[in-house]
Amino acid sequence: DAGVIQSPRHEVTEMGQEVTLRCKPISGHNSLFWYRQTMMRGLELLIYFNNNVPIDDSGMPEDRFSAKMPNASFSTLKIQPSEPRDSAVYFCASSPGTVGYEQYFGPGTRLTVT
Amino acid sequence: SQQGEEDPQALSIQEGENATMNCSYKTSINNLQWYRQNSGRGLVHLILIRSNEREKHSGRLRVTLDTSKKSSSLLITASRAADTASYFCATDGGTGGFKTIFGAGTRLFVKA
Repeated sequence: DAGVIQSPRHEVTEMGQEVTLRCKPISGHNSLFWYRQTMMRGLELLIYFNNNVPIDDSGMPEDRFSAKMPNASFSTLKIQPSEPRDSAVYFCASSPGTVGYEQYFGPGTRLTVT
Repeated sequence: SQQGEEDPQALSIQEGENATMNCSYKTSINNLQWYRQNSGRGLVHLILIRSNEREKHSGRLRVTLDTSKKSSSLLITASRAADTASYFCATDGGTGGFKTIFGAGTRLFVKA
């Protein structure tokens, strides 16, 4: 298996632009997680899905952030409009379950908003 | 908010020495996991210990869990330069709900 796939790996955009991050989870995994990692705040859970349904989005910082999972093999995290403070590394992870299962992380998308 | 707090924040040792990292958490849990992150990479799962377990081993890794003290430790024996990475504990279940919450991590540097 190729593991969790994220694209793009790097994104540089200007403030106010829309940014879309993409994730393909490991086949057969029914849970998907979006995290954001910064030096100041560490690794934060933004949202997670189980069987394509959003279960907990309390970590989504603002209405500018939205996430979708239209099917079991694809998810997007969108930021509109983007701001410099959104600069971070965004990780997608998938898991065979929600609690008590190891999570498999993708390589991350490094987002820079200027 | 972070549930787990790793200690120390950074650790530098010589190759061949043992490295011990600690994690403390605030609420009851069902499971505690340890992950490793190499620079510029995603996290990699190392080991999971359930709340009814006290110790687990995996290769050169030994994890202990003390639920009465709400703490866990990760021991890496006979460290290698390749062990240089950040190590995170993550908790889920219990009063924290179904979320997996990661600590701030310990940065380990193993000198060759």
